[in-house]
Amino acid sequence: EPEVTQTPSHQVTQMGQEVILRCVPISNHLYFYWYRQILGQKVEFLVSFYNNEISEKSEIFDDQFSVERPDGSNFTLKIRSTKLEDSAMYFCASKLSDAGGSPLHFGNGTRLTVT
Amino acid sequence: AQSVTQPDIHITVSEGASLELRCNYSYGATPYLFWYVQSPGQGLQLLLKYFSGDTLVQGIKGFEAEFKRSQSSFNLRKPSVHWSDAAEYFCAVDDYKLSFGAGTTVTVRA
Repeated sequence: EPEVTQTPSHQVTQMGQEVILRCVPISNHLYFYWYRQILGQKVEFLVSFYNNEISEKSEIFDDQFSVERPDGSNFTLKIRSTKLEDSAMYFCASKLSDAGGSPLHFGNGTRLTVT
Repeated sequence: AQSVTQPDIHITVSEGASLELRCNYSYGATPYLFWYVQSPGQGLQLLLKYFSGDTLVQGIKGFEAEFKRSQSSFNLRKPSVHWSDAAEYFCAVDDYKLSFGAGTTVTVRA
């Protein structure tokens, strides 16, 4: 069964550094998402992306965050200047259709640790 | 805004016993509801979904969930729990993006 793959599985970075989290969504999917889960907290929506532009973003997704689909397969999340509070598990997800009930398929996540 | 509430933060159940995880939703119309499971160190795996039709839906790993509009609930059940069911379980509602509940951690004791 096709999967969403995320790399790396764990990234450690220093505060103020830029970090790029990478995702390869399922190949025929059209809608892409990033979520994050701070340790012990709920999974939170960050951003959705369709047709090479952001569809919706949460208030968490400020100017320090950006997303890109640089080619036909990758979907990246960039944090320009990381803060301690950015430490979290980041999940990429994709789905085929925007029809209600179309399920999201998640990757295994990237654990980001900012020191 | 649409939301889901999972009242139980942590549930401990004996292996072989039944399990029920509660989920209440807040939504104006018929919601699209999902249950996901997250095993330790893993991503989120879809267990089952509901968006219309039969209010009792079957999922993977022997799980089922029942949609009750009168109670605004979508509770997840499993008749007999296995040790491998120890995980965190998330209820979610789809409003063009998934909104998750806070999750319920399930511990299975031998």
